[in-house]
Amino acid sequence: SQQGEEDPQALSIQEGENATMNCSYKTSINNLQWYRQNSGRGLVHLILIRSNEREKHSGRLRVTLDTSKKSSSLLITASRAADTASYFCATPGGSNYKLTFGKGTLLTVNP
Amino acid sequence: GAVVSQHPSWVICKSGTSVKIECRSLDFQATTMFWYRQFPKQSLMLMATSNEGSKATYEQGVEKDKFLINHASLTLSTLTVTSAHPEDSSFYICSARGGLTFGTYGYTFGSGTRLTVV
Repeated sequence: SQQGEEDPQALSIQEGENATMNCSYKTSINNLQWYRQNSGRGLVHLILIRSNEREKHSGRLRVTLDTSKKSSSLLITASRAADTASYFCATPGGSNYKLTFGKGTLLTVNP
Repeated sequence: GAVVSQHPSWVICKSGTSVKIECRSLDFQATTMFWYRQFPKQSLMLMATSNEGSKATYEQGVEKDKFLINHASLTLSTLTVTSAHPEDSSFYICSARGGLTFGTYGYTFGSGTRLTVV
C-alpha cells in the first residue's frame, strides 16, 4: 500500500519559476526522503529529513516536514528544463526499513 | 559513493520463458535488497525484500513461485520472472541498503529493467 500521497500529480512550469510538491503520509516516521526519477530510469536520492527536523536545504532544494500534519513539501527554486522528472517522497519502516513510496509528482519544466 | 548495477536494462522475451534480472552492489555490501515493480506513470510497488543468506519476504499479493528472488551473496541479488506472460511486462527496479547504520549508506537504486513479454 502507498504510504504517501503527493500533490499535485502533475505540475508544469516555466524555466526559472519555483516548483512546490507536497507529500502526506499516514504512520509515524523516523525520516522522510525525496527521490527523483527521470523517465525510464532508476531513482536518485535527493534529500532526507529526520523526524526531529523541520526544514532542510540542499542547493536549490528546500524540504520541510510537519510531523503534526504528517506532511512534507519539496521546493525546487529557479527550476531548469533538466529538472523535468518525477519526484517521489518515501518513508522507511518495518524490520528491514523498507521504503514505501508516495504516488509521485510529474514535474515538467518548459524552456 | 554507493553504486548499484542492474542488468539487463531492457529485455524482450516470449510468453512462457523465464527472465533473470541481476542487481549488484559495486562498492559496498548490501545486507538487504529490495525489488520494486513500476507500471507506466505510477509509483513503485515493493514486491519483496531479500536478506543475504535467507529467504526473501514477499509483499502481499506477490506470487513467490512466479518471482523468484535469490540473494546468495552480499553483493548480488537476482529476480527471476518465471513463465512470463504479457501482464508481467513492467519496469523492475532493485534497491540496496547496506552498512551498519541507515545514515551511512541509505538506499541506492539500480537503473531499472524494462521487461516486455510478447
